[in-house]
Amino acid sequence: EVQLVESGGGLVQPGGSLRLSCSASGFTFSSYAMHWVRQAPGKGLEYVSAISSNGGSTYYADSVKGRFTISRDNSKNTLYLQMSSLRAEDTAVYYCVKDHGYPTPWIFDYWGQGTLVTVSS
Amino acid sequence: EIVLTQSPGTLSLSPGERATLSCRASQSVSSSYLAWYQQKPGQAPRLLIYGASSRATGIPDRFSGSGSGTDFTLTISRLEPEDFAVYYCQQYGSSPTFGQGTKVEIK
Repeated sequence: EVQLVESGGGLVQPGGSLRLSCSASGFTFSSYAMHWVRQAPGKGLEYVSAISSNGGSTYYADSVKGRFTISRDNSKNTLYLQMSSLRAEDTAVYYCVKDHGYPTPWIFDYWGQGTLVTVSS
Repeated sequence: EIVLTQSPGTLSLSPGERATLSCRASQSVSSSYLAWYQQKPGQAPRLLIYGASSRATGIPDRFSGSGSGTDFTLTISRLEPEDFAVYYCQQYGSSPTFGQGTKVEIK
């Protein structure tokens, strides 16, 4: 059974930093791209970032480019999102998401339960 | 960036009725990269349909997807009580985007 468990969320002041982690199990983590998707309270889904299976390629939405860094440790089956220069508009539930893989990449077949990040003074 | 517009915003129906949800793209989308998700309150989204018309693992056959180019549809043939939720379409063109969602509520 695929499981994705996020951690690291919490309350942070504007301009602060936070690192999210996602522990994966139930599939060959090193074979799949992974993603972060967020959802502001009461709002829709917003795509955040992606990383290839070996970590060699990354992608960021314009809204977080230059402030967030995605990474992974395939030896630990763990995905990370380092967030810095946080703003109030970054307040959201952050979901760790598994890529569907070939032949339909960039489709999200498993989601974690999410971790809430609140940016407020 | 491809913008996805979902309609209607809210659909009020009774159990057993048919639901038809629309997703329109601002530019043509490859069918391979069009998906639908269901989200219930307090839960993470769940993949329903990928490749515009393929059901994900474990999804009942009352859910079906169709469409191509800029117009896509999710159909729920007979609404079950557990189907009342918010539905999102998603595409990957040059960058992944989601529609704003359609809420299917009990009439």
